[in-house]
Amino acid sequence: NAGVTQTPKFQVLKTGQSMTLQCAQDMNHNSMYWYRQDPGMGLRLIYYSASEGTTDKGEVPNGYNVSRLNKREFSLRLESAAPSQTSVYFCASTGGADQPQHFGDGTRLSIL
Amino acid sequence: GQQVMQIPQYQHVQEGEDFTTYCNSSTTLSNIQWYKQRPGGHPVFLIQLVKSGEVKKQKRLTFQFGEAKKNSSLHITATQTTDVGTYFCAGRAGTASKLTFGTGTRLQVTL
Repeated sequence: NAGVTQTPKFQVLKTGQSMTLQCAQDMNHNSMYWYRQDPGMGLRLIYYSASEGTTDKGEVPNGYNVSRLNKREFSLRLESAAPSQTSVYFCASTGGADQPQHFGDGTRLSIL
Repeated sequence: GQQVMQIPQYQHVQEGEDFTTYCNSSTTLSNIQWYKQRPGGHPVFLIQLVKSGEVKKQKRLTFQFGEAKKNSSLHITATQTTDVGTYFCAGRAGTASKLTFGTGTRLQVTL
């Protein structure tokens, strides 16, 4: 039972490069989320998808785009990476707003 | 927008001592969840509280939801080294599909 799978686990980019972070869940969950976590800080919501076919901005959406490709997959794209986007990115999914969120292992992204 | 603060940011205890982290929301919550993140790991769900004044226990962990549904606490009795990690509260306002995570409390336990 894989749960939430994120790829890649690590990535180093140069400023201005683009990149897509992939997330897939096998729990038939309706809602999926992308968070970033900076050292010593909590989780900040970038974008979320309450259900297939919908996406909404979270707290810190600037510089990112998302695609809910199907019920299983929710990708996060950095069009022009900036050093301020160096962070650990977590994808999560849930069966409903009153259900637990299940997290992937994270992608550790460094932008030079 | 909604803000969720936690105190303290960091606490270092000797094994066997008790530990408490407090969570305060700027808005009334419909529910609150607690997560634990081990160093280098991802957040893992611990529990959800829904009712005003609710208290739930999991072994040495006691969770409370305030009467006004704007604050919560997690208390660990007789900490162990396995309790090391960062504890996050996360609140949902109204019927929102999203959670707002607190700033987290990092717990260090030494022998």
